[in-house]
Amino acid sequence: DIQMTQSPSSLSASVGDRVTIACRASQSISRYLSWYQQKPGKPPKLLIYGASNLQNGVPSRFSGSGSGTDFALTISSLQPEDFATYYCQRTFNTPHTFGPGTKVDIK
Amino acid sequence: QEQLVESGGGVVQPGRSLRLSCAASRFTFSSYNMHWVRQAPGGGLEWVAIISPDGRNKFYADSVTGRFTISRENSKNMVFLEMNSLRAEDTAVYYCAKEKGYCSSDSCYYYGMDVWGQGTTVTVSS
Repeated sequence: DIQMTQSPSSLSASVGDRVTIACRASQSISRYLSWYQQKPGKPPKLLIYGASNLQNGVPSRFSGSGSGTDFALTISSLQPEDFATYYCQRTFNTPHTFGPGTKVDIK
Repeated sequence: QEQLVESGGGVVQPGRSLRLSCAASRFTFSSYNMHWVRQAPGGGLEWVAIISPDGRNKFYADSVTGRFTISRENSKNMVFLEMNSLRAEDTAVYYCAKEKGYCSSDSCYYYGMDVWGQGTTVTVSS
């Protein structure tokens, strides 16, 4: 199976910072990569699909990039409501494996 | 607004069975693949299973293959997860989720899960 890794596992940042989270697949998954945001006690929320397509209603400060094995989620200017855990997920064939997550907290 | 509501969670002894249900509303349920995803306490997300719109194609994570069965009843807008031979490591919040992608006549295209339920908690303990 294709394995998904994320880096860093956690980061501390301030409001207004630019934040980038990396996701790597152990084999090429083309652009079949999604990103989610999850806050404690809540279900995940889809942010990005197809590596770079913004889900309806998601603020434009979120963007996704990459293809093949290397991907990134960027938050251009971190807002207070963005402190959460972020997961990538491969959607190319099954299993639709998630990455281990990146926790973004307040510096 | 599209909605999913899970039910059926609870406390169960190891080796026993449990059936989770998920009721869908406000979208054309029969047109979409549906997933189950779980999250162990303090842990990350783990994809569990997917079922095709017509219910004929089902795929599972290795960790549940042979023990869990996903099914759906399109006439009732419901998806189910039958869990047998439960283990302590199956303890988690279980979410059902709608697949954003679509299936054509010969292929399915997966784009992630755009609608999620609030989850139902399963605890496997003696």
